[in-house]
Amino acid sequence: EPEVTQTPSHQVTQMGQEVILRCVPISNHLYFYWYRQILGQKVEFLVSFYNNEISEKSEIFDDQFSVERPDGSNFTLKIRSTKLEDSAMYFCASSGAGDSPLHFGNGTRLTVT
Amino acid sequence: AQSVTQLGSHVSVSEGALVLLRCNYSSSVPPYLFWYVQYPNQGLQLLLKYTSAATLVKGINGFEAEFKKSETSFHLTKPSAHMSDAAEYFCAVSEILGNQFYFGTGTSLTVIP
Repeated sequence: EPEVTQTPSHQVTQMGQEVILRCVPISNHLYFYWYRQILGQKVEFLVSFYNNEISEKSEIFDDQFSVERPDGSNFTLKIRSTKLEDSAMYFCASSGAGDSPLHFGNGTRLTVT
Repeated sequence: AQSVTQLGSHVSVSEGALVLLRCNYSSSVPPYLFWYVQYPNQGLQLLLKYTSAATLVKGINGFEAEFKKSETSFHLTKPSAHMSDAAEYFCAVSEILGNQFYFGTGTSLTVIP
């Protein structure tokens, strides 16, 4: 069964550094998402992406965040200057048309020191 | 505005006992509703979904949920708990497919031998 894959599984970075989290969504899916989960807390929406542009974003997704689908297969989340509070598990998800649910990757655990 | 409330952040049941995880939603339009399960150090896996077809939805691993519009509920049940059911369970709502999902705060299920 096709799945969403995320790399790396764990990323450690220093405060102020840029990080790029990578995702390969399911190939025939049209909608792409990033969510995050701070340890012990709920899953929070960051951004949705459709037709090569952001369709919706939350207040968490400020100017420090950006997303890109550079080559038709990868979907990346960039954090320009990481803060300690960016430490979380970041989940990529994708969905198809119609009543297709979200399919999630296994996540990237980001640790900012 | 959409939101999801999961009553009980921790639920413990004995092996073989009924599992009942509660989810109430608010939505201004007929919602799409989902239950996801998260095993330790893994991503979110879809258990089942409601998308305006049958109100009783059957999912994987013997779980099912019933959509009750009058109660704005979508509780998750399983007749007989298994040790492997121990995990975090998230209810989610979406009004428009392709837009963001709103997740509840999660319920941690413990199964006692």
